[in-house]
Amino acid sequence: DIVMTQSPDSLAVSLGERATINCKSSQSVLYSSKNKNYLAWYQQKPGQPPKLLIYWASTRESGVPDRFSGSGSGTDFTLTISSLQAEDVAVYYCHQYYSTPDTFGQGTKLEIK
Amino acid sequence: QVQLQESGPGLVKPSQTLSLTCTVSGGSISSGSYYWSWIRQPAGKGLEWIGRMYSRGSTNYNPSLKSRVTISVDTSKNQFSLKLSSVTAADTAVYYCARDGLGVWFDPWGQGTLVTVSS
Repeated sequence: DIVMTQSPDSLAVSLGERATINCKSSQSVLYSSKNKNYLAWYQQKPGQPPKLLIYWASTRESGVPDRFSGSGSGTDFTLTISSLQAEDVAVYYCHQYYSTPDTFGQGTKLEIK
Repeated sequence: QVQLQESGPGLVKPSQTLSLTCTVSGGSISSGSYYWSWIRQPAGKGLEWIGRMYSRGSTNYNPSLKSRVTISVDTSKNQFSLKLSSVTAADTAVYYCARDGLGVWFDPWGQGTLVTVSS
């Protein structure tokens, strides 16, 4: 199985400041022939299901604010929130769909400082 | 807009079989363009993919659960189902159903249903 490791486990950021969450996979999730990274990011608020934010590592889902961005390739990925808003308080998960079983990171809890 | 809704017993006794159904609305489960997955989340913990199926019946399961899992589809009712046998307390979790685009990201998700394994 591909192990996904997120850092940090929790993060406190001031409103309006940048938040950065990292995700590292135990093996590359880059499908070379398609030049696509098989990685997605989700946001989960309390009592709600996860919500898709980013897929193909850097493509923002329709309707997701442009303050959310994804970057990285191969084994190292980053989710960045450029200017933290109160409604961004949540747990964030990365997900690799390069190979089955699909696996998720352990989650990063984002709070307001 | 496709929506998914899980249903089933909220309490299952140890050693019995957990059975859940996901009802899909706003789109046909038979469209052939998607897989349909089950994912679970123990309280306060992370996400575990259980397995997926294609509308034509092929399935793919997490090896960690494969011996106990069956996912099936009822196209006439636009539903797919999960059965997990020989459950223990470790299977207590919120169970989500989700659509995935032929083995890629999951979107959308159902609201989730809490299943507790206890005598």
